[in-house]
Amino acid sequence: DAGVIQSPRHEVTEMGQEVTLRCKPISGHNSLFWYRQTMMRGLELLIYFNNNVPIDDSGMPEDRFSAKMPNASFSTLKIQPSEPRDSAVYFCASSFEGGGKSDTQYFGPGTRLTVL
Amino acid sequence: DQQVKQNSPSLSVQEGRISILNCDYTNSMFDYFLWYKKYPAEGPTFLISISSIKDKNEDGRFTVFLNKSAKHLSLHIVPSQPGDSAVYFCAASDSGGGADGLTFGKGTHLIIQP
Repeated sequence: DAGVIQSPRHEVTEMGQEVTLRCKPISGHNSLFWYRQTMMRGLELLIYFNNNVPIDDSGMPEDRFSAKMPNASFSTLKIQPSEPRDSAVYFCASSFEGGGKSDTQYFGPGTRLTVL
Repeated sequence: DQQVKQNSPSLSVQEGRISILNCDYTNSMFDYFLWYKKYPAEGPTFLISISSIKDKNEDGRFTVFLNKSAKHLSLHIVPSQPGDSAVYFCAASDSGGGADGLTFGKGTHLIIQP
């Protein structure tokens, strides 16, 4: 059974460019989460969706960040324009709410973003 | 303001001995706690969890203890094995059983020495 899939695994871009990170959750999961990991702040929740609807985006750092989930099997996190301080590892995670083991989130391998 | 704290950035333990990783939290609304393990260049992997209605949960070599009055939990690994060398994250949720984002500690790098 495939786990959470993220693409690309690595992204290097220049300041001011648009960056789009992609995530495919585990089939059957109904909640999807985007996290960011930095040395300074550790792992932080950016936004999460339940049944494709954004529930809490209070962790999104600023308007340059946006996330969408057009269907149950795909989500994107977009940064426009990107800045050097956005350099981090971005993780996507998914879970199934209602299965008796809620809050157990399964993480993808992450996208390492470097903004020059 | 860190709501979940792992005060030891690293811990070195001899193979075969017990590893004890500690985690403290400040938010009394947290009711579900998890430990994740992370290898370099991989995403965190779920290890074990505990609900606030329990004080202990065991799964093979891994046991998590919860002390709600002290707002403290610990992960015990016994016996420690070389493959246990990784970064361990403590995480907490206040969702009451529903889906919610997790609040993570900054991690403890466990090194198992042969």
